Amino acid sequence: EDQVTQSPEALRLQEGESSSLNCSYTVSGLRGLFWYRQDPGKGPEFLFTLYSAGEEKEKERLKATLTKKESFLHITAPKPEDSATYLCAVGGAENDYKLSFGAGTTVTVRA
Amino acid sequence: GAVVSQHPSRVICKSGTSVKIECRSLDFQATTMFWYRQFPKQSLMLMATSNEGSKATYEQGVEKDKFLINHASLTLSTLTVTSAHPEDSSFYICSATSGPYEQYFGPGTRLTVT
Repeated sequence: EDQVTQSPEALRLQEGESSSLNCSYTVSGLRGLFWYRQDPGKGPEFLFTLYSAGEEKEKERLKATLTKKESFLHITAPKPEDSATYLCAVGGAENDYKLSFGAGTTVTVRA
Repeated sequence: GAVVSQHPSRVICKSGTSVKIECRSLDFQATTMFWYRQFPKQSLMLMATSNEGSKATYEQGVEKDKFLINHASLTLSTLTVTSAHPEDSSFYICSATSGPYEQYFGPGTRLTVT
């Protein structure tokens, strides 16, 4: 069974204070690792897909990296508008397009 | 691109009645759609997977007679909560995909059963 563990559960940052979120996973045949952002009361917003170890993707202040066991979401010089819950998910090769989600990391950025 | 809509965004219904939630992919054809449920401060719980033109596949513990799913076209899936009870109150979110790739999520529907 595919498993995803995210840490920390919550992260409080000062504006401009860079940090990283961790996503550890076990999966039988990685089809893809996905990062989403979710604001309260809204559906998750797609951020990145990573397919293989060593891959990196960037979008504004966010950068996602992937190894064979974990992924990191780096937030560089965050702003208050980066406050959200960040969800990590994996798709396994035997899983019929389904994704297994972690519990998320809730990031709060104070001005 | 990859926009998914849901309707309604909020619904309040009385116990014992049925509620239908629509999920549409607006700018792509979704071969597969998923329905999730989310409780406060918890992650997404997959309820079922639906493929266009075939019966939905439900996750263990999800009552298929209570949560009826229809995926009539490549752009529309519906979830009907039948004989709703207060414990069915939750945030329901759909997602859509055109292949074994990322899923695109709708904005969610807040269901309150009184």
